[in-house]
Amino acid sequence: DAGVIQSPRHEVTEMGQEVTLRCKPISGHDYLFWYRQTMMRGLELLIYFNNNVPIDDSGMPEDRFSAKMPNASFSTLKIQPSEPRDSAVYFCASSLRAWDYEQYFGPGTRLTVT
Amino acid sequence: DAKTTQPTSMDCAEGRAANLPCNHSTISGNEYVYWYRQIHSQGPQYIIHGLKNNETNEMASLIITEDRKSSTLILPHATLRDTAVYYCIVSWPGNTGKLIFGQGTTLQVKP
Repeated sequence: DAGVIQSPRHEVTEMGQEVTLRCKPISGHDYLFWYRQTMMRGLELLIYFNNNVPIDDSGMPEDRFSAKMPNASFSTLKIQPSEPRDSAVYFCASSLRAWDYEQYFGPGTRLTVT
Repeated sequence: DAKTTQPTSMDCAEGRAANLPCNHSTISGNEYVYWYRQIHSQGPQYIIHGLKNNETNEMASLIITEDRKSSTLILPHATLRDTAVYYCIVSWPGNTGKLIFGQGTTLQVKP
C-alpha cells in the first residue's frame, strides 16, 4: 500500500482565498483524522470520521473550516476564506479501528497564507 | 490538561540505548500508553503501545511501572535516524479514537 496520500504537499495562497486540502486514506481503514501542527500549538486534532461520517469536529477552529468525506477513499479539508493564522502543516491520518490506535499519518500539506 | 509529562529534550550517543521517560500519574485503569515519534518534516509515526505489561517490537521496548504511573520507551541501539520528537500519549481505546499529542521529547542522537 502507498500509505496515506495528501495533496498538495505545499500550498501558498493569499488571504481571503479558498484552500482545499486532499487526503486519500489507506484502503480498508475505517477511521480518518485531520490534524494541524504549528509551533505555538503543536499537533491538534481537528476532526475525525468513522466510515465516512464525521464523529467529532470539536477541534475545528471556526466556521471557516469544513471537512468532508464523500467516500471511503477520499476526504477534503476546506478553508474559506483563508487567513494568515491558518498557516500550518495539515496532516491526515487513518487507522483500521479507533481502538487500534495505530494511526498512519500522511506526509502533510504545508499551507502558507500571505 | 496534559495527561503526560516528558522531558523537553535528551541526548543519546549513537549505538547506545536511548531511554525516554514519561510520567502519567493520573492514568486510569482502562487507559493505554502510546508512543509516537515525528522525524523532522514528516508525519508522526506509531512506535508501540501497552496497557500494563512490558511490550517489545522491532522498533522499541516499552516498560510500564507496576503502578502504571510512569513508563519508559527504550530504543536499544539508537542511530542518527532516530533523532526525532517522541510523544507519549495516554488514552483509552474507546469509540472516540482520540490521540492528544503533547509537546514531546526531542531526542538528539549524536555520533
